[in-house]
Amino acid sequence: NAGVTQTPKFQVLKTGQSMTLQCAQDMNHEYMSWYRQDPGMGLRLIHYSVGAGITDQGEVPNGYNVSRSTTEDFPLRLLSAAPSQTSVYFCASRWGDRGIMGEQFFGPGTRLTVL
Amino acid sequence: QKEVEQDPGPLSVPEGAIVSLNCTYSNSAFQYFMWYRQYSRKGPELLMYTYSSGNKEDGRFTAQVDKSSKYISLFIRDSQPSDSATYLCAMSLYNQGGKLIFGQGTELSVKP
Repeated sequence: NAGVTQTPKFQVLKTGQSMTLQCAQDMNHEYMSWYRQDPGMGLRLIHYSVGAGITDQGEVPNGYNVSRSTTEDFPLRLLSAAPSQTSVYFCASRWGDRGIMGEQFFGPGTRLTVL
Repeated sequence: QKEVEQDPGPLSVPEGAIVSLNCTYSNSAFQYFMWYRQYSRKGPELLMYTYSSGNKEDGRFTAQVDKSSKYISLFIRDSQPSDSATYLCAMSLYNQGGKLIFGQGTELSVKP
């Protein structure tokens, strides 16, 4: 199993540009999520999905869109990039949202710089 | 005030030392408590996982949860240079096990 994969690894954007960060998992996990990591802030939840066709907002959703058309894929779209979105983005997956069992697996991250 | 507070360090110790990492939290409804380890430029990986209060031991690592004080700890015995990483505490509610609330992370360096 490849686990959770993310592309690209690095990206530089100009203010106002749009782009999609790709995330895929091959563990048949229902639950997938996106976090951003900023210095001194830890990881913060952007959006999450409990299954195909179902998404919801996390702690810091503004400026980001998500969709979940398949169990495997959960792309994150930046609609109009701003310098405040410069961060490291991590995708994660888990068997489900409820219950005590189940490790949350993280991808290797995408480092995004917005100029 | 953040829901989860963690001393960001950095923390530098000699090889073989006992390391204590700590987090405090404000939401008494948290039920799941986790410690993640993150090596430089990598994604976090789960190190320890505890449900409700108590202790859990795994090799050189011990996780403690004190819900009455809203305080969790991770102890590393006989620390090794390979333990050098950022350690993140994380918590979640019983019915929202996927939504993790993270501390800021503590950067640990173990010197040979």
